[in-house]
Amino acid sequence: GQSLEQPSEVTAVEGAIVQINCTYQTSGFYGLSWYQQHDGGAPTFLSYNALDGLEETGRFSSFLSRSDSYGYLLLQELQMKDSASYFCALNRGFQKLVFGTGTRLLVSP
Amino acid sequence: DGGITQSPKYLFRKEGQNVTLSCEQNLNHDAMYWYRQDPGQGLRLIYYSQIVNDFQKGDIAEGYSVSREKKESFPLTVTSAQKNPTAFYLCASSTRQGKIDEQFFGPGTRLTVL
Repeated sequence: GQSLEQPSEVTAVEGAIVQINCTYQTSGFYGLSWYQQHDGGAPTFLSYNALDGLEETGRFSSFLSRSDSYGYLLLQELQMKDSASYFCALNRGFQKLVFGTGTRLLVSP
Repeated sequence: DGGITQSPKYLFRKEGQNVTLSCEQNLNHDAMYWYRQDPGQGLRLIYYSQIVNDFQKGDIAEGYSVSREKKESFPLTVTSAQKNPTAFYLCASSTRQGKIDEQFFGPGTRLTVL
């Protein structure tokens, strides 16, 4: 089976940089995705790593290391609107995703 | 505008009743998915469909059923066999041709069993 662990909550101030970690245990997967979800809302896609290394998309970057069973999402120039929950998700094939436990990010002024 | 719609937004059900949640997409996506989310938790896959007239059980399919008679529609029925159905239900779709592993989600249906 697969399991993904994330810190339950992270706090930061506007303009700062924050890293949200995701560690996983799995026998195999195709890629690691990151989704953002505001309270009561739908998850929205942020980033995807099929290969090891860093993927950059604007203020957001995501990293994957298969040898370390580890990935992270990096958010730069934090804004108040970035306050949300962030989920990592493994693709087991045919885009069957298994989601992590989620990290609640609180951005303060 | 293309997107995914789910209805209703809020649904109340009495114990022992079956209820069907609607999911429609006009993104021309082949694949569709149903997830369940409990408070403070991640999403768990209930059922998924890669193509019309075909669907597969996900990780927590017991007490649920689906159909995929049209490409645009993937309704989920929560049956009385589901012991703890109160949750936030999310429908998603994706293209099978994309290189990026992106799923598009609907706004969700919040089901409460009274």
